[in-house]
Parts: sequence; C-alpha cells; structure tokens
Amino acid sequence: GQQLNQSPQSMFIQEGEDVSMNCTSSSIFNTWLWYKQDPGEGPVLLIALYKAGELTSNGRLTAQFGITRKDSFLNISASIPSDVGIYFCAGQRSGRGSTLGRLYFGRGTQLTVWP
Amino acid sequence: DAGVIQSPRHEVTEMGQEVTLRCKPISGHNSLFWYRQTMMRGLELLIYFNNNVPIDDSGMPEDRFSAKMPNASFSTLKIQPSEPRDSAVYFCASSRGTDSPLHFGNGTRLTVT
Repeated sequence: GQQLNQSPQSMFIQEGEDVSMNCTSSSIFNTWLWYKQDPGEGPVLLIALYKAGELTSNGRLTAQFGITRKDSFLNISASIPSDVGIYFCAGQRSGRGSTLGRLYFGRGTQLTVWP
Repeated sequence: DAGVIQSPRHEVTEMGQEVTLRCKPISGHNSLFWYRQTMMRGLELLIYFNNNVPIDDSGMPEDRFSAKMPNASFSTLKIQPSEPRDSAVYFCASSRGTDSPLHFGNGTRLTVT
C-alpha cells in the first residue's frame, strides 16, 4: 500500500526550542494534513494544506505543502509542555474510485518537551 | 458540534466473543472511516463509507470483521469471533466528503484476552 515516510520517529527537546518534522511520499497527493494525538484521544487536525507550495500557519505551528506534492513539513516554534504528543502527517488524493477521500498516514513523530 | 462519538470507550472481552463497536459521525458529514491503531502497524484504514455505501473495505483483516452503516448517523464495526491479535484502539472518523479533512472520535480501546 501507499507509504508515507515521517521523520524523525521521536524527538526530545527543551521547552522554548523550535521543532521541525517532515513527511515524504513516493506518490503525489492533492492535500496534506497534520494531526496531533494526545494520550487516550483521537488525532486532532492541526493544519490542512491544499495547494503545492502553500505555507500555512496556525499559532506557533507552520506547515508547508512541498512544491513536488510529495512532501510536507511541520514546524513548531517556542515549544511548550502541552505540545507533547504524537504528530501525524497524512496525504489525501481526490478522484474517482476506491481511493476517493482516503487518507494515508505517516507512522508519527513522538514529541517530548522537557520543562 | 458534538464531534464524532464512539462507544464504548473501553471493551475487554474473551477470545471467541462477539464485539460490536459503534460510531456516530458528525452531522452533515457523508464519509465515514474505521481505522485501527497499534504500536506495530500505526493507523490502518479498515473500511470507509460514502453516503452510507461501503467504498473500500480492502483493509478489513478477514471475514471475522464486518462493518455496516444503516443510516447517515450510525455505523458499527463487528468482530466475530474476536481474537487476542484484534486488541487495538479502533477509531471512527468522518468528513464532509472528498478533499475534506477527517475528524476523529476518541476511539474504542479493545482488549481481547
């Protein structure tokens, strides 16, 4: 099946530091999404990107849709303890057939923030 | 907006028993997805529905798994008979349709002993 390669697998940082994680794919996607999952909860959408080259911010979060449509990155600036969690990238295609609306997920980046 | 609602939150059952997981999607969303999350395999898509019709069930592990969506506001995922390797967190998610982001429920943690 489709694979998204997400890196790094885990990060241990100090409060106040900036964080960067990325996701690459062998195939093109029309939408890139970033989710965060807290323990015991479902993934929550952070940022959605719909256009190649698009750079979008949501507070301290910034994400970009790669120009090749095969990659995306997420940056978190000035990290705080509540940023702890697992961050997932996801790619989505549009079109006919069974892949319509289907999301392909990366394996996640586990972020730990030390106070 | 109440979000995607799943029940139960936790289910512990013995091997061989039938398990039914339930999901109520967000009102107005016409696509519904069932995912399974494990440490080993991450988030796996099991099946998804569009306008209550199953579109892609290629991720359903085997015949022991079945899913239904009798109407736009309810879906079930059934495992019969359950096995210990089915232990995982099962998520339901919904979206407005193509090109729309998924919104996840809080999952059902299933333990099969």
